[in-house]
This record gives sequence, structure tokens and C-alpha cells, in this order.
Amino acid sequence: ETGVTQTPRHLVMGMTNKKSLKCEQHLGHNAMYWYKQSAKKPLELMFVYNFKEQTENNSVPSRFSPECPNSSHLFLHLHTLQPEDSALYLCASSQDGLEIETQYFGPGTRLLVL
Amino acid sequence: DQQVKQNSPSLSVQEGRISILNCDYTNSMFDYFLWYKKYPAEGPTFLISISSIKDKNEDGRFTVFLNKSAKHLSLHIVPSQPGDSAVYFCAAKARNTGNQFYFGTGTSLTVIP
Repeated sequence: ETGVTQTPRHLVMGMTNKKSLKCEQHLGHNAMYWYKQSAKKPLELMFVYNFKEQTENNSVPSRFSPECPNSSHLFLHLHTLQPEDSALYLCASSQDGLEIETQYFGPGTRLLVL
Repeated sequence: DQQVKQNSPSLSVQEGRISILNCDYTNSMFDYFLWYKKYPAEGPTFLISISSIKDKNEDGRFTVFLNKSAKHLSLHIVPSQPGDSAVYFCAAKARNTGNQFYFGTGTSLTVIP
């Protein structure tokens, strides 16, 4: 596997379900991100981890819970979601300290909350 | 407050002609800018970047121009090919603001054969 992988690619869940999204990066980067992409909106940064430590939490509701056990893996735990949480969830990684830091994205998980 | 804006949601161009995608920003502290390309059902892929100390960067058919005084950047694709049809996002980052990248809403480019 190369780059950034995400599983599952598609997820349908009810409002009372608990599910988790998984992201893995094979690039040796130190920073990992969760973004939400809704139709006709810019990418919304949700969480950032740098060397496993959370450095950004952009006022995300507590029904989204991130976990970063190591620099290569990132999870997003979901519980009691709302229909408006239906979106494409993208994971990205980057290596900071470079002259131009570039994010590399996974393919995303398309989430539908019923 | 949206710091990076792409005011054209869509653009159609004839194959072989030039595609020009535009992006405006409000924060003069941004240190560099990036363009990403996104196909349906895939994540964005990095295309080209430019540092704020430059006004042009070229990579094959893709050239990014930066006008700092106007807080405007543009991506030129010459010649445009049908495979270039995708959504293009511009993004910006300031080095002293941690890991925060700012993205535009995207422009959907259609290259007509």
C-alpha cells in the first residue's frame, strides 16, 4: 500500500449506531488530519494530530471522537450522528518543517446518516 | 470568515485551449499556496504549489501565477485535455499558524473534446 488509505469507502449508519473510520498513511509523515467535505462548501478542517498529539480541534461536536495511536494511523469514532453529518470525510497527512508543506489525501469515506 | 475564495463554481473550455482557474485570498500572511485536483469518488491530489516569494511556478502544462498586491492567484492549463476535467481547489497556509490549511470551495472544470 502506498499513500494514504481510508476504510470503509462508503458507510450508511443510523443515528443510534456507533462506527469508526480508519486512515493509514504510508508516507512517513508526522501530521494527520480529518476533514469534512459537504456539497458546495470548502473543506472543513476537523482535527489535526502532530506526532500523535492533537493540535487542532475546530469546534467539532463531541459525537465525533478522534484517536491517533501512532503517527501512521488515525481513527474517527462516530456515535449518535445526525443526518446533517452526511458528507465525505477525508483524511490527509503531511510532513511539516518543509519549505512548502503539502498535504496528501486519502480517497475519503462517503458517509450517509439515516 | 472564508479566507480563500474561488468565485467561479464551474468552467467549460474547448480541448486544446487554455483553462484559467482563479482564486482570491484575504490573509496577507499566507506563505504559500497549493492547487489540488479532485476526481469524483477520489480524494484531492496535489497538483502544483507556489511560495509567496515567487510570482510564477510552472510544471509542464500547469502554471500558477501569484499577484500578492491583488491577493490573487490563478492556475493556467495549456493545452487543456479532456482528462483535466475535475474539480480544482486552491489552498493556502501561513507557517506560523500551526497545521491549518485554508481551502476554497472548488471550481469544476469541464474540457470539451
